Amino acid sequence: RKEVEQDPGPFNVPEGATVAFNCTYSNSASQSFFWYRQDCRKEPKLLMSVYSSGNEDGRFTAQLNRASQYISLLIRDSKLSDSATYLCVVNMKNNNDMRFGAGTRLTVKP
Amino acid sequence: GAVVSQHPSRVICKSGTSVKIECRSLDFQATTMFWYRQFPKQSLMLMATSNEGSKATYEQGVEKDKFLINHASLTLSTLTVTSAHPEDSSFYICSASLSTGNTEAFFGQGTRLTVV
Repeated sequence: RKEVEQDPGPFNVPEGATVAFNCTYSNSASQSFFWYRQDCRKEPKLLMSVYSSGNEDGRFTAQLNRASQYISLLIRDSKLSDSATYLCVVNMKNNNDMRFGAGTRLTVKP
Repeated sequence: GAVVSQHPSRVICKSGTSVKIECRSLDFQATTMFWYRQFPKQSLMLMATSNEGSKATYEQGVEKDKFLINHASLTLSTLTVTSAHPEDSSFYICSASLSTGNTEAFFGQGTRLTVV
């Protein structure tokens, strides 16, 4: 089993749609969780951290379920500029040993 | 956020030559940096953990004699791809964090290596 698993997509949605990405992780002792965004041929950039109570940042909502070892990202009112690959990232230990999911490709179309 | 600078951003080299990639933390000290490799349409794969003043820790399947890592100061780690082959062509990217613990990682801009 991979350490971090994501549905690779691609997800093709119209502008204004709501889309959800899921991610599971194998190590129950994982410390912290993030969603990163990666544009083509660019480095990943932090989109948001994922907290146990769930958190929201504008159109983006992240959820964490430790019991099920599951993380989600919800994007509401999709914009063309949201087109990118979204990476689920898990900090496996307390030394920032980050493990990446394969990424989920999102394309938002007019 | 903190800034990590990676250089060069793009390099083309001949088979058999060596290429050095630098990763610098510009406004903070990084005792630990990480090196990743990403092939097209694939995820970032951790290659090694670079520790200042000590030997790097390599992931399984990564040849330490081929991918030489030096972390001589708290702001600089280098990755040298020795005797490069076309299959080494990839996107190499480094990251560093402000401290140990549950903080985000800051990434360099990445280096696109093409071996011809």
